[in-house]
Amino acid sequence: AQSVTQLDSQVPVFEEAPVELRCNYSSSVSVYLFWYVQYPNQGLQLLLKYLSGSTLVESINGFEAEFNKSQTSFHLRKPSVHISDTAEYFCAGSTGGGNKLTFGTGTQLKVEL
Amino acid sequence: DGGITQSPKYLFRKEGQNVTLSCEQNLNHDAMYWYRQDPGQGLRLIYYSQIVNDFQKGDIAEGYSVSREKKESFPLTVTSAQKNPTAFYLCASSEQGNLEYEQYFGPGTRLTVT
Repeated sequence: AQSVTQLDSQVPVFEEAPVELRCNYSSSVSVYLFWYVQYPNQGLQLLLKYLSGSTLVESINGFEAEFNKSQTSFHLRKPSVHISDTAEYFCAGSTGGGNKLTFGTGTQLKVEL
Repeated sequence: DGGITQSPKYLFRKEGQNVTLSCEQNLNHDAMYWYRQDPGQGLRLIYYSQIVNDFQKGDIAEGYSVSREKKESFPLTVTSAQKNPTAFYLCASSEQGNLEYEQYFGPGTRLTVT
């Protein structure tokens, strides 16, 4: 069964510093992987996704994630965070061809001045 | 504006009462989903529907029921059989049920049962 693990429940970081939010998945077949962002008391918004092809995927607001099959990881990175990036970030995945997403437990990113 | 609406934003009920959460979308999407979010547990799938008049159980369907009589509407009923109903409920939709298509989420309903 597909599972997604986010090891860090909270990540504090200063503004303009780099950040990495970790995500590992378990699967014996090809996967689809996603990162979602949730601002307080709101729904989730898709940040980026990996379906196939290039292992490095980027979002429009400077985040990127790299699909690493050998390490079964899909870590989210940003070279310089802004105070507005403060939110909860969820990694999600599904076995290819499936129609159900499995979510990680989320990582709260807190950007401080 | 196209999107997903969930109402109300906050809902309070007494234990033992059934309650129905509304989810409406005007995106003309075929697939709709209900998730439950609890602190520290991420999102868990309750029910999903890939087409009108059809729906399937997700991972935690016990104590919940749904209907999909119209393409744009996918209401969720939390029954008195649900042992721990207090949670944040999120509705989502996608163009089709295949996960290549992005899921769009509504703003959520926070249900408190006392």
